[in-house]
Amino acid sequence: GAGVSQSPSNKVTEKGKDVELRCDPISGHTALYWYRQSLGQGLEFLIYFQGNSAPDKSGLPSDRFSAERTGGSVSTLTIQRTQQEDSAVYLCASNTGPFGVYEQYFGPGTRLTVT
Amino acid sequence: DAKTTQPNSMESNEEEPVHLPCNHSTISGTDYIHWYRQLPSQGPEYVIHGLTSNVNNRMASLAIAEDRKSSTLILHRATLRDAAVYYCILSRPSGGSYIPTFGRGTSLIVHP
Repeated sequence: GAGVSQSPSNKVTEKGKDVELRCDPISGHTALYWYRQSLGQGLEFLIYFQGNSAPDKSGLPSDRFSAERTGGSVSTLTIQRTQQEDSAVYLCASNTGPFGVYEQYFGPGTRLTVT
Repeated sequence: DAKTTQPNSMESNEEEPVHLPCNHSTISGTDYIHWYRQLPSQGPEYVIHGLTSNVNNRMASLAIAEDRKSSTLILHRATLRDAAVYYCILSRPSGGSYIPTFGRGTSLIVHP
């Protein structure tokens, strides 16, 4: 079946512009996570959605970052007034429940470059 | 935060077993131990996870120390396709959600 998809695969933007990154999780998966991976670094947790519960935003690095999940499916990560330090690969993952208990499926990521 | 420590890199020869260590001395009783791997230009891929007991699946085995402060991912016969960055991850429940803390990962080099 279809896996987690993300779009665009690559995004180049100028400093100060806003960007939107999209994630389509696996159908039926109630949990959705966003991560950021800077060059040569591990994954940094950003935000977590579980069903209709309020999202856990504890990993968002600043108030320029926000995310929403419409209809319990597609999610959009928005970065306002982008900075060069926002350049990274943004990964989305989904699973059938909380990370600790269930296997997580990752998308291919969106590579964001802020010039 | 629950942190993990892994060696930066390890090397192995093809068809030999590989033991990838992970230290997690601050683990709590409810933390799950996960292993994922990431090939170049791809998202991470699930390998295995466990809580207290050793686990086996078609990809690997997970050996968890009795005090749970360390674990070892075992690849029984390394292949060239196993060359990847391997992440040892603790997942800590936080207000009903499970928040993963990623280590820096171990880059596994497999020699033919």
